[in-house]
Amino acid sequence: EAEVAQSPRYKITEKSQAVAFWCDPISGHATLYWYRQILGQGPELLVQFQDESVVDDSQLPKDRFSAERLKGVDSTLKIQPAELGDSAMYLCASSSGAAQYFGPGTRLTVL
Amino acid sequence: GEDVEQSLFLSVREGDSSVINCTYTDSSSTYLYWYKQEPGAGLQLLTYIFSNMDMKQDQRLTVLLNKKDKHLSLRIADTQTGDSAIYFCAESIALKTIFGAGTRLFVKA
Repeated sequence: EAEVAQSPRYKITEKSQAVAFWCDPISGHATLYWYRQILGQGPELLVQFQDESVVDDSQLPKDRFSAERLKGVDSTLKIQPAELGDSAMYLCASSSGAAQYFGPGTRLTVL
Repeated sequence: GEDVEQSLFLSVREGDSSVINCTYTDSSSTYLYWYKQEPGAGLQLLTYIFSNMDMKQDQRLTVLLNKKDKHLSLRIADTQTGDSAIYFCAESIALKTIFGAGTRLFVKA
C-alpha cells in the first residue's frame, strides 16, 4: 500500500539553528500539505501545494519558515532560525481527491 | 467561523461499543472525516462521509451525521485494546480541512 514518506522521524536542534524536513507524497497525488501539531492539539495547516504551486500559506510564519515543491513531487519545509516554540510534530499529507493521507511525521525538539 | 469541538477523553471496557462525538460550526462543510492517531505516529484515515449522507458503515465503524445540529459521531463496535488512540474529527470547507483537538480513547481490558 502506497504511503507518504517523511524524514527525519526525529530532529533535535538548538534555537537559532536551521532545520529542514522532507516529504515524498503518494505517487500521483497532486496536492501536498504541511501541518504542525502541537502536543494535545489537532494538526494546523502551514502550507498547501497544488502540484508545484502554493495554494494556501496564510498560516506559515514567513519570516522563518519556507516551503518548496520544485518539481511538483517531493517537498521540503525549512525553519531558519528555529525557536523554542517551534517544538512540535510536523506532518505531511497528500491527496488526490476528498481524503488526505498522512506520513509518520517529524518530531522536532528545539533546545 | 470555523471550529470543530470534541470531548477530550473517553474510557470504555473491552468488548463494549465506543461513541465519539464531534460538533462543527460551518454548515458549508463538504466532507467530514475521522482519523486515528497512535502515540508518536501520523494520522490514519479511518473513514469519511459526504455532507449529504447521514450514515456510513464500514465493518466495526459507524458514522452518523446530523447536519441540522452539525453533529458527527463515530461508533466503534466491539472495542478492542488496539483501538486505544486519539481520534480526530475534521471537516473540509472549500480547500481547507479543520481538525478538532482529538478525543483520547482508553480501552480497559
